[in-house]
Amino acid sequence: GAVVSQHPSRVICKSGTSVKIECRSLDFQATTMFWYRQFPKQSLMLMATSNEGSKATYEQGVEKDKFLINHASLTLSTLTVTSAHPEDSSFYICSARPGTMTGELFFGEGSRLTVL
Amino acid sequence: AQSVAQPEDQVNVAEGNPLTVKCTYSVSGNPYLFWYVQYPNRGLQFLLKYITGDNLVKGSYGFEAEFNKSQTSFHLKKPSALVSDSALYFCAVRDGSGGGADGLTFGKGTHLIIQP
Repeated sequence: GAVVSQHPSRVICKSGTSVKIECRSLDFQATTMFWYRQFPKQSLMLMATSNEGSKATYEQGVEKDKFLINHASLTLSTLTVTSAHPEDSSFYICSARPGTMTGELFFGEGSRLTVL
Repeated sequence: AQSVAQPEDQVNVAEGNPLTVKCTYSVSGNPYLFWYVQYPNRGLQFLLKYITGDNLVKGSYGFEAEFNKSQTSFHLKKPSALVSDSALYFCAVRDGSGGGADGLTFGKGTHLIIQP
């Protein structure tokens, strides 16, 4: 299957700082990528849809100024958690879909963010 | 709006026995259905999907799922469970008619525990 790479896998930061997470599609081009957040022992919550060359589409309740998404190329999307607080601590997972719209999503390995 | 229900938080099965992980869905258009597996602190791995055609879908690692339109179900099955199948399983849906979100909507997940 297609490969999606996510970096870093773990990051610890101080409250008030910003953290950037990268998501790359390694063997396909992705005009659209998706960012999910997963709380402990809970399901994945879609945060936003990242569109190459245009603004991201955020789900209801997700602060776009807090979670900045940039999709500058067909293989890279970044999520920046700005002015992070402890409540932003979570597991963030990106995904992308190659090919046709019927295809499955391929997921990165996730990024564990801990804000102290 | 689309939704997925996984009624069991946890399923316990003895090694070698058949397993079933239940999933029901709600979508206004044509359902595109997916099963994913997640190991601790990892991203999601694709198992199988139903888009159209044969209601019985075969996937990775010996798993299969049966699409039942009248019951709006897409239960995951395996004839003989392995200890290594122990993980968190997610059912997901997307509206194939284009009326819903492009990203997948996930169920809350089911912990599958295979006992030796």
